[in-house]
Amino acid sequence: GAGVSQSPRYKVTKRGQDVALRCDPISGHVSLYWYRQALGQGPEFLTYFNYEAQQDKSGLPNDRFSAERPEGSISTLTIQRTEQRDSAMYRCASSLDDRGPYEQYFGPGTRLTVT
Amino acid sequence: AQTVTQSQPEMSVQEAETVTLSCTYDTSESDYYLFWYKQPPSRQMILVIRQEAYKQQNATENRFSVNFQKAAKSFSLKISDSQLGDAAMYFCAYRSEGNTPLVFGKGTRLSVIA
Repeated sequence: GAGVSQSPRYKVTKRGQDVALRCDPISGHVSLYWYRQALGQGPEFLTYFNYEAQQDKSGLPNDRFSAERPEGSISTLTIQRTEQRDSAMYRCASSLDDRGPYEQYFGPGTRLTVT
Repeated sequence: AQTVTQSQPEMSVQEAETVTLSCTYDTSESDYYLFWYKQPPSRQMILVIRQEAYKQQNATENRFSVNFQKAAKSFSLKISDSQLGDAAMYFCAYRSEGNTPLVFGKGTRLSVIA
């Protein structure tokens, strides 16, 4: 089976534009996570879903960031009115469930550059 | 909130030698999970090894092993017989039993010298 996929892999956008980042988790995985990774840093949690329900969005930096997973599979992270400080690698991960030592499988990431 | 600290921004090791990467964490929980992830230049995130806090035995995966000291809140990674392909960023991560997001350290960049 395929792993976690993300698109686009690279996105360059101008300040003020909206962007939508897509994550396609491993089939059958209940939990889906979004992280953001600045260069030279570890990933930082943004939000996560079990099925279609958003369980925790405490890591979203401000109200320009939102995420959805309407059918419990593919998820979209949307950033409105992008700013240069939003430039980072955005990573998606999925796991079988949110309990136990289930591994989180990471996608290749979307590198976002805001100019 | 839980925190993870990796105090070694960079480490280097000679090929075929052994290296230990340090990680400490802060938590008030008794049940949790600890992980080491490898991020090669491709920037993929690859799980290297994991440890359940309730297990006293240290986890081992081939050349990779951990030294888990729960009382000291320490979780170091030992890489034996280092290979050129081990060169990467290594991230230590914590996950609660109840809350599921991973909390990562800032990483240690490992160089392997031929």
